[in-house]
Amino acid sequence: DVKVTQSSRYLVKRTGEKVFLECVQDMDHENMFWYRQDPGLGLRLIYFSYDVKMKEKGDIPEGYSVSREKKERFSLILESASTNQTSMYLCASSTPEGYTEAFFGQGTRLTVV
Amino acid sequence: DAKTTQPPSMDCAEGRAANLPCNHSTISGNEYVYWYRQIHSQGPQYIIHGLKNNETNEMASLIITEDRKSSTLILPHATLRDTAVYYCIVRPLGYDKVIFGPGTSLSVIP
Repeated sequence: DVKVTQSSRYLVKRTGEKVFLECVQDMDHENMFWYRQDPGLGLRLIYFSYDVKMKEKGDIPEGYSVSREKKERFSLILESASTNQTSMYLCASSTPEGYTEAFFGQGTRLTVV
Repeated sequence: DAKTTQPPSMDCAEGRAANLPCNHSTISGNEYVYWYRQIHSQGPQYIIHGLKNNETNEMASLIITEDRKSSTLILPHATLRDTAVYYCIVRPLGYDKVIFGPGTSLSVIP
């Protein structure tokens, strides 16, 4: 019954590495989202995509980029990982209509050392 | 910015009803109110949503005021497993962002 899958549950990377976080959904949703979550700050939107190859910046896009080459897959890229990017990263997908819910993955806890 | 405001924390005795309020005074006529919850270290879980009418499912009830400027999520018989952060969001139509506020941290006390 898995709907949104994130490639890793836990990840440890070194400062300066290029990091790819992958998210796949099997519901044929148009919208996909990447959030990060830090204690006391809630979920903050990094990027979202509303179609293949389409993307828009969220509230905190600095230091991140995204790729959506296929409808079911949305990748978050940390071009040069830094320690302040240590966080929980959550992917979600949804349809554009307001009457259906968004589905979330289980999250990737990234530690940059 | 999030379009909702919620109290940062609440306590509820086990077995009692938990009533979680949410203000969304700038909601548009065709926007839905959604509730999610997040148990520690897991992804957010959908609970319920509504447009104008009150809604009920196996998890909770949602009461939306007639002017739609506020709503209340009701967990009828709270258990310790309901301890979580509860998010109230206004779901935009189309291809807009889904913005989360800080939510309400509910603690169910034995």
